[in-house]
Amino acid sequence: NAGVTQTPKFRVLKTGQSMTLLCAQDMNHEYMYWYRQDPGMGLRLIHYSVGEGTTAKGEVPDGYNVSRLKKQNFLLGLESAAPSQTSVYFCASSRTGGSTGELFFGEGSRLTVL
Amino acid sequence: AQSVAQPEDQVNVAEGNPLTVKCTYSVSGNPYLFWYVQYPNRGLQFLLKYITGDNLVKGSYGFEAEFNKSQTSFHLKKPSALVSDSALYFCAVRDMGTYKYIFGTGTRLKVLA
Repeated sequence: NAGVTQTPKFRVLKTGQSMTLLCAQDMNHEYMYWYRQDPGMGLRLIHYSVGEGTTAKGEVPDGYNVSRLKKQNFLLGLESAAPSQTSVYFCASSRTGGSTGELFFGEGSRLTVL
Repeated sequence: AQSVAQPEDQVNVAEGNPLTVKCTYSVSGNPYLFWYVQYPNRGLQFLLKYITGDNLVKGSYGFEAEFNKSQTSFHLKKPSALVSDSALYFCAVRDMGTYKYIFGTGTRLKVLA
């Protein structure tokens, strides 16, 4: 049982380059989330999705886009990377709304923007 | 807006001693509260949650948390700390209106042998 899988695990970009982080979950969860983790700032929510075809902004959405074309996948895109986007990115999923289920996290994707 | 605060960046405790990691919350309505642990270079792992009912919640690895409505706190506790408990601990609250989970800034627990 893989749970939540993130790819790639590491990536180095130059300023202005674009990339996509992929999150896949095999638990049939409705809700999916993208967070970034920075020292001293905890986890900050970038975007989230409450179901296939839906997305919503979190606390720090600027510079990122997301898509949820399939229930099991949640993609995070950086169209023009900036050094301020250097961070560790975590994807998480949880069961349907109305449930009080906990989040299941991936192992993280470490992104460095030069 | 929902929020949680973890007032301590780091907590040091001797092995075998009880430990407490503090969390306070601010929510409208009933709080749904969670604790997670993160080991180095890993994702977060769920420890326990408070939804309703008994104010003392038991979770994984011998951890428990005490919900206190009057003090708006949800402190994580363990009767006897292990060196292997050393990790980063996050408190979180779920916003029931939007289904967002809001995290605190984390507390690094260091258990000294």
